[in-house]
Amino acid sequence: GAVVSQHPSRVICKSGTSVKIECRSLDFQATTMFWYRQFPKQSLMLMATSNEGSKATYEQGVEKDKFLINHASLTLSTLTVTSAHPEDSSFYICSAKSGTGPMNTEAFFGQGTRLTVV
Amino acid sequence: GNSVTQMEGPVTLSEEAFLTINCTYTATGYPSLFWYVQYPGEGLQLLLKATKADDKGSNKGFEATYRKETTSFHLEKGSVQVSDSAVYFCALSDFNQGGKLIFGQGTELSVKP
Repeated sequence: GAVVSQHPSRVICKSGTSVKIECRSLDFQATTMFWYRQFPKQSLMLMATSNEGSKATYEQGVEKDKFLINHASLTLSTLTVTSAHPEDSSFYICSAKSGTGPMNTEAFFGQGTRLTVV
Repeated sequence: GNSVTQMEGPVTLSEEAFLTINCTYTATGYPSLFWYVQYPGEGLQLLLKATKADDKGSNKGFEATYRKETTSFHLEKGSVQVSDSAVYFCALSDFNQGGKLIFGQGTELSVKP
């Protein structure tokens, strides 16, 4: 299957600083990327959907000014956690799809980023 | 809205036992259904999928059949191995909602030798 690479896999930052997480599709063009957050032993919560070249669509309850998403190219989306606080510590996972048609139903996932804010 | 409900875990089985993880869904359209597997500290890997009613997805000995009449997509494996220990997520994707995935809460499987 297609490969999605997420970087970094782990990051520890100080409270109040910003952290950027990258999500790259290595062998296909990702017209749509999704960002999820996962709390320990819980399911994935969709944070936002981003389409290349347009603003991200955030799910209800997700602060768009805190979680900045940029999808400037067909192979790269970034999530920036601004002014991070300990409650932002979590496992963040991106996924990418190469099309929007009904036959293009598979999303490929990155390996996740463990963010710890101290 | 769309939702997915999975049986609660953890599920603990002995090696070579039969596995069933129940999954039911609610959807307004005609979703595609998926099972993903997550190993500790890793992202998700697609295990299998089905895109229309009565389709059977299968991979690595796992199977699931898309049952529209019961709105279910139960995961089964005839003989589990220790290496199958992981968290399994059932999910649906609805084209009418931009194709985003809606996940169940996940079921942790632990297989003992």
